[in-house]
Amino acid sequence: DIVMTQSPDSLAVSLGERATINCKSSQSILYSSNNKNSLAWYQQKPGQPPKLLIYWASSRQSGVPDRFSGGGSGTDFTLTISSLQAEDVAVYSCHQYYSTPHTFGQGTKLEIK
Amino acid sequence: QVQLVQSGAEVKKPGASVKVSCKASGYTFTNYGISWVRQAPGQGLEWMGWISAYNGDTNYAQNLQGRVTMTTDTSTTTAYMELRSLRSDDTAVYYCARKPTGTPQDVWGQGTTVTVSS
Repeated sequence: DIVMTQSPDSLAVSLGERATINCKSSQSILYSSNNKNSLAWYQQKPGQPPKLLIYWASSRQSGVPDRFSGGGSGTDFTLTISSLQAEDVAVYSCHQYYSTPHTFGQGTKLEIK
Repeated sequence: QVQLVQSGAEVKKPGASVKVSCKASGYTFTNYGISWVRQAPGQGLEWMGWISAYNGDTNYAQNLQGRVTMTTDTSTTTAYMELRSLRSDDTAVYYCARKPTGTPQDVWGQGTTVTVSS
């Protein structure tokens, strides 16, 4: 199984500041057909289901604010929120859909400092 | 609008079975798969498996093999997940999610809480 490891487990950032969350896969998740990494990011607020933010490591889902961006290559990936808003408080999870079982990272809890 | 509506909360005793439903609307059901993901209290997301709504092909997480069955009813655009021989560590919120081919789950149900307790 591909293990997804996120860092940090929790993060406190001031409003308007940048937040960066890291995710490392235990092996390559590069999909050869399109040369893109099969990596997604989800946002989950308390009592709600996950919401898809980013797929193919850097493609923003329709309707997601452009302050959210994804990047990375190889086995190291990042989710960046360029200017933290109060409504961004949530748990963020990375997810590989390259091979089954489609595993998730353990989640990073983002709070306001 | 695209929507997945799940059945209500369940309380089960150890050893029993539970069947959760997931009613899809707003899209062509057979053009997508349905993934099932669960989340134990205070824990991360765990992929349970996937079913093609087109032909019923399934792929289950190895740790659930033999205890889980995923099915779909195209006439009612409903997906089902049955979990048998329930244990206390099956206590979780169970989510269904629409799964496009080659890309991740993009629309999620509201979740169904399953509590296993004697």
